[in-house]
Amino acid sequence: GNSVTQMEGPVTLSEEAFLTINCTYTATGYPSLFWYVQYPGEGLQLLLKATKADDKGSNKGFEATYRKETTSFHLEKGSVQVSDSAVYFCALGISSGSARQLTFGSGTQLTVLP
Amino acid sequence: NAGVTQTPKFQVLKTGQSMTLQCAQDMNHNSMYWYRQDPGMGLRLIYYSASEGTTDKGEVPNGYNVSRLNKREFSLRLESAAPSQTSVYFCASRSTGTGNTIYFGEGSWLTVV
Repeated sequence: GNSVTQMEGPVTLSEEAFLTINCTYTATGYPSLFWYVQYPGEGLQLLLKATKADDKGSNKGFEATYRKETTSFHLEKGSVQVSDSAVYFCALGISSGSARQLTFGSGTQLTVLP
Repeated sequence: NAGVTQTPKFQVLKTGQSMTLQCAQDMNHNSMYWYRQDPGMGLRLIYYSASEGTTDKGEVPNGYNVSRLNKREFSLRLESAAPSQTSVYFCASRSTGTGNTIYFGEGSWLTVV
């Protein structure tokens, strides 16, 4: 079946530090890959996505590259800010019949200290 | 820009009570979803609806029923709530076309005592 494994948290960094959150996946077929972010008390928001191998998704300084050879989609940011504190979810999307389903990782809590 | 709207935001139920979580989207999406979020487990799919008039079970459907009332609305019903259903519930809908992005509501915090 499909699954997503994320780096265990929580992760605590100082402002302007480099961030990496690891994500690997197992899937049949050709999934799309996503990173979602959840701020406290809110729903999930799409952060970035990649739909095929070697694609790079980017948004708000975050980047992730779809690596088919290592089945990975690691999230990176060169210089984090306090406002980046949130829970980050890696997910893969597979079409099942006429609907696309998302399979999520367990989430990684990021806290950025000033 | 309403997007996906869920009600209620917070609810406390006694074991055995029933309730319905309401969800509506104003983006003309065909597909809609209900997820639950539990600590350390990410989000798990309860039910989904590929289009108006169709519903299918997801990963954890037991104890739940759904209704796709029309294209906009997709409700989740707990017929006899159990403490194991204490969770945060998210409704979502999916765009068609390039990217197939899934948009989430703000969540409904349900506690069953």
